[in-house]
Amino acid sequence: GEDVEQSLFLSVREGDSSVINCTYTDSSSTYLYWYKQEPGAGLQLLTYIFSNMDMKQDQRLTVLLNKKDKHLSLRIADTQTGDSAIYFCAESMNSGYSTLTFGKGTMLLVSP
Amino acid sequence: GAGVSQSPSNKVTEKGKDVELRCDPISGHTALYWYRQSLGQGLEFLIYFQGNSAPDKSGLPSDRFSAERTGGSVSTLTIQRTQQEDSAVYLCASSPPLADRDSDTQYFGPGTRLTVL
Repeated sequence: GEDVEQSLFLSVREGDSSVINCTYTDSSSTYLYWYKQEPGAGLQLLTYIFSNMDMKQDQRLTVLLNKKDKHLSLRIADTQTGDSAIYFCAESMNSGYSTLTFGKGTMLLVSP
Repeated sequence: GAGVSQSPSNKVTEKGKDVELRCDPISGHTALYWYRQSLGQGLEFLIYFQGNSAPDKSGLPSDRFSAERTGGSVSTLTIQRTQQEDSAVYLCASSPPLADRDSDTQYFGPGTRLTVL
């Protein structure tokens, strides 16, 4: 079955790096995503990684994928107060169509 | 270009009433998804449309929930005889055509917050 787990809460100080972790159970996942949800807003796609990659970097964001351990992480460098939000990890399987299976989200709180 | 839009942004209704939630996907996107986000929970898949194919309704929680997609574009999610446990944020997402390398990526609307009193 599909299950995506995340820690619920992370607190960091402005300027520090944040690392949000996610584990998933379905080894047939082909894409793994990170979405950001600010208060009262919808989900914003941050980045995604294809399962045959182990790292992807996009400006302040670094995604690491350990397929053997089914572990995905999102590192935010130089975290800013504007990064405070809920971050969702999600997986999909490319089976012609796919729905996303989401974790419950990690609330990131960045303090000045 | 314009993103996914949803209306209304907020809906307050009384228990037992019917509600309709609307989603306008990104132009050219053939896939459309509805999800529900309850307080403290992750996102729960409800229903999926892909082009003219029969929808995947496997996530609908009860027969009070239904959705349609007219002309392959706009979708309406209908909840009949609403219950308090239906209170949630209902999110819509769309994806590019299957032939597109980005077809697995879902782009979300801002959601409709439904409150059932």
